[in-house]
Amino acid sequence: GEDVEQSLFLSVREGDSSVINCTYTDSSSTYLYWYKQEPGAGLQLLTYIFSNMDMKQDQRLTVLLNKKDKHLSLRIADTQTGDSAIYFCAEGANTNAGKSTFGDGTTLTVKP
Amino acid sequence: DAMVIQNPRYQVTQFGKPVTLSCSQTLNHNVMYWYQQKSSQAPKLLFHYYDKDFNNEADTPDNFQSRRPNTSFCFLDIRSPGLGDAAMYLCATSRVGLTEAFFGQGTRLTVV
Repeated sequence: GEDVEQSLFLSVREGDSSVINCTYTDSSSTYLYWYKQEPGAGLQLLTYIFSNMDMKQDQRLTVLLNKKDKHLSLRIADTQTGDSAIYFCAEGANTNAGKSTFGDGTTLTVKP
Repeated sequence: DAMVIQNPRYQVTQFGKPVTLSCSQTLNHNVMYWYQQKSSQAPKLLFHYYDKDFNNEADTPDNFQSRRPNTSFCFLDIRSPGLGDAAMYLCATSRVGLTEAFFGQGTRLTVV
């Protein structure tokens, strides 16, 4: 079945770049998503990438996709304390955007 | 401005006592989803409605039911909550052709 894996924890200093990695198994995935979840809150879509793209940049966020290795990464430039949250990678096989398989999330801690 | 609204934000119920969680949306999306997210785990899709068509995930327990009386509202009914059903329940909406889903803030369910 589909599986999405992420490392569980990442700690960085304020102002540094953060890189969160994700691997997935479903080669038919059409869209790959990054969500942010702050404590006690719902999921906020940060960005997504279509499977025929290699890279997508959106302000401080850069998504890299290596489709051959089924590896996705999210780079946050100039990480701020407000970026501290859990980041979920998710994959979707079609345009049913809410029917996604999520990873277990990476807890990002940003130290002043 | 909230587009997907879940009520209540926090719900405490007794073991075995039926409970209903509510989700409403102002986006006029035709697809609505319910996810269960246990502590430190990935959100797990329970079921979704495509218009009035109900789509259950294969491993969703029978204890979980859903109703969608109209486009705007969707309910999650837990017939006999067990301690293992304590979790955050997330509602999301989308529309066919959209590349993203919109999540509510979630309802945190405690079973005592």
